[in-house]
Amino acid sequence: GAGVSQTPSNKVTEKGKYVELRCDPISGHTALYWYRQSLGQGPEFLIYFQGTGAADDSGLPNDRFFAVRPEGSVSTLKIQRTERGDSAVYLCASSPSPAMNTEAFFGQGTRLTVV
Amino acid sequence: AQSVTQLGSHVSVSEGALVLLRCNYSSSVPPYLFWYVQYPNQGLQLLLKYTTGATLVKGINGFEAEFKKSETSFHLTKPSAHMSDAAEYFCAATMEYGNKLVFGAGTILRVKS
Repeated sequence: GAGVSQTPSNKVTEKGKYVELRCDPISGHTALYWYRQSLGQGPEFLIYFQGTGAADDSGLPNDRFFAVRPEGSVSTLKIQRTERGDSAVYLCASSPSPAMNTEAFFGQGTRLTVV
Repeated sequence: AQSVTQLGSHVSVSEGALVLLRCNYSSSVPPYLFWYVQYPNQGLQLLLKYTTGATLVKGINGFEAEFKKSETSFHLTKPSAHMSDAAEYFCAATMEYGNKLVFGAGTILRVKS
């Protein structure tokens, strides 16, 4: 596709359930990022992939959060035992390289609501 | 740890007036700096970026920003606001390979007719 695609666009789940959020990056982009945006705040970094490997997962809040990118393209963010505090917009971005001067292209996000 | 501060969560200007959105960063090493815009129900879109070289950078839609190391600032300006500029604007910085961005809290720009 032309841009970064995230599915679903909206997800409502019950507290304690497991959810998966999917990101399709721009074709050929080696770097992929997940951010979380809570209401009234800017995006906060969660995890960054270079190729298939997680190069930096320092932003994951706890061990309920996990992300994979098995073939170096599509990535899935997985949240176990969801809590109401996990409600936020989850943003995915991709970049041609992880160099500091390259632009990150963002998807429209997945709005997760935990009830 | 580096941080980015945007002064003013909401800014309101009249159509045709100057737009000034403020951004300050906290870092001992000058970071690379970015401004992103988010229109309702759309993803973040890059307006402009400062990496090296000229400190006044021009972006899309008539926006520009000036990197001032002495003031640790990267304020966004546009000489004449248009109704279509109404959106939320985010300043962001990165200082390390990997391009992990640190964002400010955002400023919602309202343009009055």
